[in-house]
Amino acid sequence: DTGVSQNPRHKITKRGQNVTFRCDPISEHNRLYWYRQTLGQGPEFLTYFQNEAQLEKSRLLSDRFSAERPKGSFSTLEIQRTEQGDSAMYLCASSSKPSRQREGIFREKLFFGSGTQLSVL
Amino acid sequence: LAKTTQPISMDSYEGQEVNITCSHNNIATNDYITWYQQFPSQGPRFIIQGYKTKVTNEVASLFIPADRKSSTLSLPRVSLSDTAVYYCLGGGGYNKLIFGAGTRLAVHP
Repeated sequence: DTGVSQNPRHKITKRGQNVTFRCDPISEHNRLYWYRQTLGQGPEFLTYFQNEAQLEKSRLLSDRFSAERPKGSFSTLEIQRTEQGDSAMYLCASSSKPSRQREGIFREKLFFGSGTQLSVL
Repeated sequence: LAKTTQPISMDSYEGQEVNITCSHNNIATNDYITWYQQFPSQGPRFIIQGYKTKVTNEVASLFIPADRKSSTLSLPRVSLSDTAVYYCLGGGGYNKLIFGAGTRLAVHP
């Protein structure tokens, strides 16, 4: 178990450029989440996958953001035409399929990577 | 989705027990309550998780009353290295995990 890996750790870009981040989850974890975090705030949910299927995307996410998980393993998050407001830490987390504890009740534990810090100049 | 409310910040001293209470009035019956810890420039790290009553592990205890509308994270004998932001979440499974602003705990010598 090598943990969740995110690359790059830091990215500096100019406004208007496209950027792509990569997340490698813990192997055998079929759920993968993307969060965004700005200074002093908690992580904000962006989207999540179960295997290769994108199950939900935050309504706060503009069309400039897209995420993929083509083979149900690693995932990429792309931001097109970056804006200064996109500057943030982008966090990836993975989990195994939630375990059913009893009827309708599930337990899930997320493992986070160290994040990619994006600075848009 | 379970919305949680926590104190914005707390201060403590080394060796003391710290209790952080989280309010989650509309938690769903199928939600677990989970606490995460986050240090600067790192992703959150799982601390403890429970559904009701009391759960204890090697780092913390979690107390959840019968109505499940609140929970209390207890950190015994804190040290300087426990200075971090602590998040309380309800959800998981079919309900995605939503983070609030968390509680900034500062431990002083």
